[in-house]
Amino acid sequence: GAVVSQHPSRVICKSGTSVKIECRSLDFQATTMFWYRQFPKQSLMLMATSNEGSKATYEQGVEKDKFLINHASLTLSTLTVTSAHPEDSSFYICSALSGGYEQYFGPGTRLTVT
Amino acid sequence: TQLLEQSPQFLSIQEGENLTVYCNSSSVFSSLQWYRQEPGEGPVLLVTVVTGGEVKKLKRLTFQFGDARKDSSLHITAAQPGDTGLYLCAGNNNAGNMLTFGGGTRLMVKP
Repeated sequence: GAVVSQHPSRVICKSGTSVKIECRSLDFQATTMFWYRQFPKQSLMLMATSNEGSKATYEQGVEKDKFLINHASLTLSTLTVTSAHPEDSSFYICSALSGGYEQYFGPGTRLTVT
Repeated sequence: TQLLEQSPQFLSIQEGENLTVYCNSSSVFSSLQWYRQEPGEGPVLLVTVVTGGEVKKLKRLTFQFGDARKDSSLHITAAQPGDTGLYLCAGNNNAGNMLTFGGGTRLMVKP
């Protein structure tokens, strides 16, 4: 149980375009999901908390207009990177809250902006 | 801001050796999770500790939560090459169930 999927696993896009990443909880409902960013050889950095049916809560320094988060159902949250730039290239990972306090992570999405 | 300091950052050992990874904080956590992450993949939950002083075992891995719930350790006995990966501790303070991650320990076990 507690499986989280992400799609796509890898994406390459041109500078200035937008990219949408999906995060799904496959066998449980998640009212809360989280989006993280991870740079090479570093730990995870929380970007935002996504709550079903309400606006996401962004961490300090994360631009909400650039990283659009939508959590329209109990099993799906999406992260859209708008007007992507090369510095947005990173590994993006989502997690879903299960059982009250345990987070289960998706496999991640490698974004490369050229 | 809660901080979770993890040590060591890097560890390279021979197969069969033992090792311990530490996570320390000045803050109290309601629970603490340990994850293992392989390159290009998401972290996989290994264990959650909740009670101060709690010890949990997962085959050759032993996890301990400090009495004051501010620190935790992961001990691996007779490490195997398959144990190679990034180990992350993460504390939960119940505020929105957000996790504070340690900096990670990159473990390499050589055959």
